[in-house]
Amino acid sequence: AQKVTQAQTEISVVEKEDVTLDCVYETRDTTYYLFWYKQPPSGELVFLIRRNSFDEQNEISGRYSWNFQKSTSSFNFTITASQVVDSAVYFCALSAYSGAGSYQLTFGKGTKLSVIP
Amino acid sequence: EPEVTQTPSHQVTQMGQEVILRCVPISNHLYFYWYRQILGQKVEFLVSFYNNEISEKSEIFDDQFSVERPDGSNFTLKIRSTKLEDSAMYFCASRANPSEAFFGQGTRLTVV
Repeated sequence: AQKVTQAQTEISVVEKEDVTLDCVYETRDTTYYLFWYKQPPSGELVFLIRRNSFDEQNEISGRYSWNFQKSTSSFNFTITASQVVDSAVYFCALSAYSGAGSYQLTFGKGTKLSVIP
Repeated sequence: EPEVTQTPSHQVTQMGQEVILRCVPISNHLYFYWYRQILGQKVEFLVSFYNNEISEKSEIFDDQFSVERPDGSNFTLKIRSTKLEDSAMYFCASRANPSEAFFGQGTRLTVV
């Protein structure tokens, strides 16, 4: 069975501070995919990044960066110089072979980030 | 850029009524999903659909729920007799391969 844990329920930071959102996952599969989504107050799920289990290269995209470590089963997300527009709920998700072939996504409970001006 | 489209964006229905939530997946995708998010909670898998049949479903997806791909383009979720606890955001998703997950903008269902 797949499991995603986001231990941080809510985080508040002051604008321009850096913030790291933690994600720990569990799966027995050797091939899997990890995702981060942003959910603003309007409710839609905004795709941020996808990594596969064979690619541990960390990635930076503008103010966003991701740290994928298979040794600790973690896929953490850092926002540098946070802005008020970053305020949202952030979900980490795992897609792995479920046995029925569907590769459904298993989501964490989300971390609500509030950036205070 | 192709996208998954869901209609309506918001639906209000009376308890006990049937509702149909509609989704148009990306045209060359073969795998389709419905997920549910109760307000303030995490996104939960409901059902996956491939080759015109359900490939997997969660324990949430009981006999009150059904899915259909009636015309080769739409993918629908029907709730036969809505309950108050069915109030949630429902997301449709589609993919062509396991590394993808394209979500629609969601339908907010309110049961009163």
